[in-house]
Parts: sequence; C-alpha cells; structure tokens
Amino acid sequence: GAGVSQSPSNKVTEKGKDVELRCDPISGHTALYWYRQSLGQGLEFLIYFQGNSAPDKSGLPSDRFSAERTGGSVSTLTIQRTQQEDSAVYLCASSYNRDLGYTFGSGTRLTVV
Amino acid sequence: GESVGLHLPTLSVQEGDNSIINCAYSNSASDYFIWYKQESGKGPQFIIDIRSNMDKRQGQRVTVLLNKTVKHLSLQIAATQPGDSAVYFCAENKSGSGGSNYKLTFGKGTLLTVNP
Repeated sequence: GAGVSQSPSNKVTEKGKDVELRCDPISGHTALYWYRQSLGQGLEFLIYFQGNSAPDKSGLPSDRFSAERTGGSVSTLTIQRTQQEDSAVYLCASSYNRDLGYTFGSGTRLTVV
Repeated sequence: GESVGLHLPTLSVQEGDNSIINCAYSNSASDYFIWYKQESGKGPQFIIDIRSNMDKRQGQRVTVLLNKTVKHLSLQIAATQPGDSAVYFCAENKSGSGGSNYKLTFGKGTLLTVNP
C-alpha cells in the first residue's frame, strides 16, 4: 500500500494476556521503528530495525516486550503478560534507509483491562 | 539528559490568524529537528524539518525557526485554517558517527484549536 499499515487499530485485552501488534511498512523502506505514545505524552522510542542488521532494542521497557521483522518487511511487536501500564498507542514508522523524516502508521490503541 | 519540551500545551486561535507553536530543547548537540502534526486517531505526519546549520526554513504556509543560542524551535502557521487543528510535536535528533542517530526524541505536544 501507499502508507504504513498497522493492525489491529484497536485492541482490548485482559491483564496477563499476550498481544501481537502488526506493522506493514511502506514497500522499499528498509528502516522500521516502533514508538509508544501514552495519553498526553510524546512518543517514546521502543525498537529500530534496519535491513539485516541487528535491531536496536534499547527502548523496550521490559523483557515482556519483543519484536521481530520477517523478510525485511512486516514487523510484529509482542507484549507478554500485559499490564495496565502497557495501555497506550503503539506507532510504527518506516523510512528509506535512515531518513529521519519517517512515515508513521495510524497506530494500534492497546487497552489493558 | 536529552529532552524536548514545549512552552504551551494548548493554543487556541481564530481562523485566518497566524499561529506560533514553541518548543525548547536541552541537548545542545542536537542538529536536526522535525515538526509533526497529529490529528485525532492518526499517526504523526511530517510537516517540516530543519538542520542546525540553518535558522529558518519555509514550507507551504509553515515556517520553522531555530535559535541555537537559546535552544528554541518554533513553528509558524500562516492563515490558520480549521484543518490545522491537531497536536503538534517537535522532535530532535543528534546525528553523526556512533550513537543512535536514527532515533527521534519527541516533546509532549501542543494542542492547536482553530475556531471558525
């Protein structure tokens, strides 16, 4: 597609359950980013993928969070044993190489109840 | 540490007026800045960027000003329209060798409301 696609757009889950969030970047974009946006806050960096290089996972808040990118395209962010503080909008972005003017998707709004 | 903050969390203007959204940054090593616009239910959308070797850059109806002396960034929107109503974020980056030069540090955002 023409933009970054994220699914689901909304997810409500019970505390303790695992969730998977999906991101389809713009075709040809080698860099992929995950950010988290809590209510009334700015965006918090989570993880960065660039081509076949090892990802930068330095922003992941705990070992309950993990992400993978298969075939240099689609990425999945997994949160295990979700907690209420995980409730936020999870935004994915992609860019060509490391061009910083990256394109964001519309996000997945995660609510942990 | 690195941080980006905004002077005004909310701004309300009349349609047709000019808007100015301000941002302060604390990392003097930052050399690249971006303004994003985020409408309700959407992801941030790139508006305009500026590098630290410039102090002004103009786009369509928008101008970004950078004052490195006081570490201040502003976004000016001319003839503000109702469609400009959104949250505006500034973001900074420190490029160069080593480090995470692909990460952006975002401020908390300013809500701009344009009254018809």
